[in-house]
Amino acid sequence: RKEVEQDPGPFNVPEGATVAFNCTYSNSASQSFFWYRQDCRKEPKLLMSVYSSGNEDGRFTAQLNRASQYISLLIRDSKLSDSATYLCVVTRDDKIIFGKGTRLHILP
Amino acid sequence: GAVVSQHPSWVICKSGTSVKIECRSLDFQATTMFWYRQFPKQSLMLMATSNEGSKATYEQGVEKDKFLINHASLTLSTLTVTSAHPEDSSFYICSARDFSRRGGSYNEQFFGPGTRLTVL
Repeated sequence: RKEVEQDPGPFNVPEGATVAFNCTYSNSASQSFFWYRQDCRKEPKLLMSVYSSGNEDGRFTAQLNRASQYISLLIRDSKLSDSATYLCVVTRDDKIIFGKGTRLHILP
Repeated sequence: GAVVSQHPSWVICKSGTSVKIECRSLDFQATTMFWYRQFPKQSLMLMATSNEGSKATYEQGVEKDKFLINHASLTLSTLTVTSAHPEDSSFYICSARDFSRRGGSYNEQFFGPGTRLTVL
């Protein structure tokens, strides 16, 4: 079992819809949690950090449930420009572990 | 945010040649840099952790004699793919942490733009 698991995708979603990404991690010693976005043939870029209290940045909401070892990302009112691969990232000590990513296609 | 550059952005070479990829932190000092490899439709896989002034730490399954890492200064790490073969064709990405940033973004990784290596 991989240490960080994500929905396999791809998600094909009409513009304006709400999209939810799920991620689980297996090591309870994991310390920090992030969502990154990666466009095709580009490097990953930090989208947002994830905290137990939940955090929101515009149309994006991230949530962490340590008890369930579960991380989520919600995108509201999706735009065409949201099409990308979304990576769940977990850190533990000096290690940074990437999920495989979930590809999102926003359809016009 | 902090900027990490990589050079070259893409390279095509013949099988058996060696290829050097540079990773630079442009506006901060990086005592630690990370090298990743990403195959198509796969996740980033950490290859090694590059430590300034000391030997790199390689992940299990990564050949240290094939992927030579040199972190000679606080702003530069190089990855040399020796005797490259077609199966080494991949997207190589470096990243660095800016430890001068404390607080919420402490663990943020700043990624280089990546180097696409194609070995014929």
